This record gives sequence, structure tokens and C-alpha cells, in this order.
Amino acid sequence: GQNIDQPTEMTATEGAIVQINCTYQTSGFNGLFWYQQHAGEAPTFLSYNVLDGLEEKGRFSSFLSRSKGYSYLLLKELQMKDSASYLCAGERTNDYKLSFGAGTTVTVRA
Amino acid sequence: DAGVTQSPTHLIKTRGQHVTLRCSPISGHKSVSWYQQVLGQGPQFIFQYYEKEERGRGNFPDRFSARQFPNYSSELNVNALLLGDSALYLCASSLFGPWGDTEAFFGQGTRLTVV
Repeated sequence: GQNIDQPTEMTATEGAIVQINCTYQTSGFNGLFWYQQHAGEAPTFLSYNVLDGLEEKGRFSSFLSRSKGYSYLLLKELQMKDSASYLCAGERTNDYKLSFGAGTTVTVRA
Repeated sequence: DAGVTQSPTHLIKTRGQHVTLRCSPISGHKSVSWYQQVLGQGPQFIFQYYEKEERGRGNFPDRFSARQFPNYSSELNVNALLLGDSALYLCASSLFGPWGDTEAFFGQGTRLTVV
């Protein structure tokens, strides 16, 4: 199978840090993507990890461990506009298509 | 520069009807993928087209079909609509074909409601 699992919901306070975990079956995927999707809008690309380690892009960082089938997205200095669904997606080994998790809804409170 | 554009934005159809959804990729992109996103879930892969040929198909019934035109725009067709087909249909374009989708750009989607 090619299940991608991530928590359904997370809540955090403005200015805080939130870490969204994503686990997947190691045999099925090359790299891992993270997308942000605001309600009623299209997903927008945040990050792509194909090698182990941490990739930092401003307030957002993404980590990948290929051997453990584990990734996380770290959101720092949370802002109200960060309230959205965050989708973890694996790039399938056999055909490079994207398989998405169900998404984690992050709610940022004042 | 225009991003990925989809039409229509919203659509209401009756069970048993047919629907055609349209997508124009970013200029210069030759690959178009279609995804179905049911409320509360992540997008599910339906089709990918590259250079007007089907390069991948997800686990969807034959009622779903698609094609890509010489200008790289694409249509998704769904026949004999069921209530369960109600979803947001997303189109994504990428520069490369099936040999490396390092970044896919999504359109705003078409919200299909089947009643």
C-alpha cells in the first residue's frame, strides 16, 4: 500500500511553533512534498524533500527521514494567515505521481 | 503570467448526467494532471497527460476520461454522474512529464455538486 498518515487537526497560538508529522510506507515513494491549502482554494507548494535532513525556508521548515518513512513540517512564528490545511504528499516511485494524505487542519488562535 | 486556470468554478449536475471540466496549464507546461478532492480528504490522482498522451491513471472507473489538446489544455469528462462524484476537481500543471514532477502548480478547482 501507499498510505500517507498525518494528524487530522492541530491548534496553536499566534507566535508559537507547530510541527505537523507525516508517516508513509518507505518502499513506495521517492520524495515528500508539503502543500498548503486555504479553505476553498487550490493547494500551493511549500516544500519538497528528496534527501534526508532539514530544509529551511523562512518560517517554514521540512524534514525527511527516508529510512524511517517520516517527515514533518515545522511552522514557526505562527500568524493568523497560517490557518489552513497542510497536505503531505509522496512522489510515487513507480510513476512519479503524487499520493496525498488527508491533510492536517491547523487553526491559529490569537 | 496566468497560473493554471479551470472552468467552470462551480457546477451543479443531476445524477446520470455528463460533465466536462476544462483546464489551461501555465504557459510552457506540457503536463497536466487531474485530481479529485472530496471534502475533508486529500486530493486523489485521476489522470496525467504529457504531450497529449495519457501517462498515468488512478483508481477511478471508466466513467472518467480525459484528453489533452495540441495547445496542452485538457478536459476531464465524467459520465453517468453519481452523488459520490461530488467533489473539488483540481488540475495541476508541471513543466516536466512523468519523469519528475518536482513541482506541480494547482488551479483553483471546479466544485462539482451532483444532486
